Amino acid sequence: DIQMTQSPSTLSASVGDRVTITCRANQSISSWLAWFQQKPGEAPKLLIYKASSLESGVPSRFSGSGSGTEFTLTISSLQPDDFATYYCQQYNSYPYTFGQGTKLEIK
Amino acid sequence: EVQLLESGGGLVQPGGSLRLYCAGSGFTFNSYAMSWVRQTPGKGLEWVSVISGSGGTTYYADSVKGRFTISRDNSKNTVYLQMNSLRAEDTAVYYCAKNTEYTSGFYMDWGQGTLVTVSS
Repeated sequence: DIQMTQSPSTLSASVGDRVTITCRANQSISSWLAWFQQKPGEAPKLLIYKASSLESGVPSRFSGSGSGTEFTLTISSLQPDDFATYYCQQYNSYPYTFGQGTKLEIK
Repeated sequence: EVQLLESGGGLVQPGGSLRLYCAGSGFTFNSYAMSWVRQTPGKGLEWVSVISGSGGTTYYADSVKGRFTISRDNSKNTVYLQMNSLRAEDTAVYYCAKNTEYTSGFYMDWGQGTLVTVSS
């Protein structure tokens, strides 16, 4: 199984900050990586697919990069609505696997 | 608009069984694989199972293999998750998700989730 490791687990930041979350796979997944945002009591929401493709309707302050085993999600200027938990997920092969999540908190 | 509506969750004793349902609408149901993903309370996301558009191909997480069975009825636009020999660690919110392809792809659309609690 492909293991996905996210860092950091928790991130404290302020409105307007630029933040980056990292996701590493223990083997190459090419660009078959998605990023999700989840708020309490809600289903995950797709932000990014194929490592860097922005899902329709997602603000352009979100961006993704990387390929192979190392990936990043960047939020260029944090907005109040962005404080949530973020997950990466590989869909290169089954079983699909998720990172453990990064909780983005208000500083 | 794609809609996925899960049902069937509830309280069940350890060793018991439960069947989850996911009704899809707003898309050509038999053209897409369908998956189940779960989230334990306060924890992260865990992929559970997937079934191809025709139902001919299925995959399972090791943690549920031999106990859970995924199936679909394309005439009813519904996917099922039969859960047997339930354990406390199966307690979670179970989400139905639509794959973007016939057998694979990522998850653009999710249901609202249904809570399964395994407890005596």
